[in-house]
Amino acid sequence: DAKTTQPNSMESNEEEPVHLPCNHSTISGTDYIHWYRQLPSQGPEYVIHGLTSNVNNRMASLAIAEDRKSSTLILHRATLRDAAVYYCILRAQTGGGNEKLTFGTGTRLTIIP
Amino acid sequence: GAGVSQSPRYKVAKRGQDVALRCDPISGHVSLFWYQQALGQGPEFLTYFQNEAQLDKSGLPSDRFFAERPEGSVSTLKIQRTQQEDSAVYLCASSSYRDQPQHFGDGTRLSIL
Repeated sequence: DAKTTQPNSMESNEEEPVHLPCNHSTISGTDYIHWYRQLPSQGPEYVIHGLTSNVNNRMASLAIAEDRKSSTLILHRATLRDAAVYYCILRAQTGGGNEKLTFGTGTRLTIIP
Repeated sequence: GAGVSQSPRYKVAKRGQDVALRCDPISGHVSLFWYQQALGQGPEFLTYFQNEAQLDKSGLPSDRFFAERPEGSVSTLKIQRTQQEDSAVYLCASSSYRDQPQHFGDGTRLSIL
């Protein structure tokens, strides 16, 4: 699986936007970029995913670089409930059946009240 | 409930005992995954089922680990002759079909004394 690189930790003030970066220089053409987050004492939670174009949903936005070698997860207005570990994951869209997720160590996001 | 349910939430066992961890996926979800998460690390893939068929067990760390999903719904992860290094959170996830986002339970925290 292609590898992703994320900062170990980030801090942000409450009610401000947060930009979480992810580098994936070895991404292949069939790899989708997925983001999950894990709140304390909970299982991971799907946030968003995309292939080439920027994506928006109710939770966040995903901005993908034109060369696809990096992406940024954007939380438009951080709340204390957004404090979590955020994982950027590449997932091959082969349709072959096994869609296991390969997690790294993620970015621990701290929200400052 | 609407989400993935895992039981027990906490399990303490003595070294050498056998344990069984249960996962109730979201009703109708075809795909089921087990992951192991050590303290401070991201989840690591253990095994994958499509309905009742175990299609990938490449992540199981030893032959002491065994998983089943006999009727294509509930799954059990069994660990025989537990060792201290088996202490971790065991996460179960399900998805409705190939390439769909995975929905995680909150895990079983296993402590081996």
